[in-house]
Amino acid sequence: GNSVTQMEGPVTLSEEAFLTINCTYTATGYPSLFWYVQYPGEGLQLLLKATKADDKGSNKGFEATYRKETTSFHLEKGSVQVSDSAVYFCALSPTQAGTALIFGKGTTLSVSS
Amino acid sequence: GAVVSQHPSRVICKSGTSVKIECRSLDFQATTMFWYRQFPKQSLMLMATSNEGSKATYEQGVEKDKFLINHASLTLSTLTVTSAHPEDSSFYICSASPGSGSSTQYFGPGTRLTVL
Repeated sequence: GNSVTQMEGPVTLSEEAFLTINCTYTATGYPSLFWYVQYPGEGLQLLLKATKADDKGSNKGFEATYRKETTSFHLEKGSVQVSDSAVYFCALSPTQAGTALIFGKGTTLSVSS
Repeated sequence: GAVVSQHPSRVICKSGTSVKIECRSLDFQATTMFWYRQFPKQSLMLMATSNEGSKATYEQGVEKDKFLINHASLTLSTLTVTSAHPEDSSFYICSASPGSGSSTQYFGPGTRLTVL
């Protein structure tokens, strides 16, 4: 079946540090991959996505590359800010459009100044 | 970009009452919408898939008579929590996809339900 595994948090960093949040997946076919971010008390916002192997999604300084050979979609940012503190969810969408997303458990990021 | 709204954002009700939550896609039509429930510090749990013009598909363990879902139009889905009890207190989030082969889903801001 389809599943997503994220690194356990919380992740605590100082401002301007490098960020990596690992995400691996198991899927049949060719899923699309997503990173969503959730700020306290809010819903989920789409951060970036990739729809096929070797695609790189990027937004607001965050990047993730769809690696089919390692079934991974790790999130990275070169220099985090306090405002990046949030919960990050890796998710996949099975091949068929219109099906629900499958989420990882979420990773809490806390950035201090 | 695609925007999904939810109303209300926060609701407090007495045990035994029913609460309706609306989910609207503001600038696109959504054949399919999804309802999730999120417990504190946990991931999202899919409750049901809401299909316009037909019955919702519920996940295993979700009581369809307690969580009534109606998808009356291509831009509106509602979730009614019937005879709410304190254990129904949670954060409810909906999402919608523009369809047409797109797998991207856009999420509403969520509704915090507290049952006293």
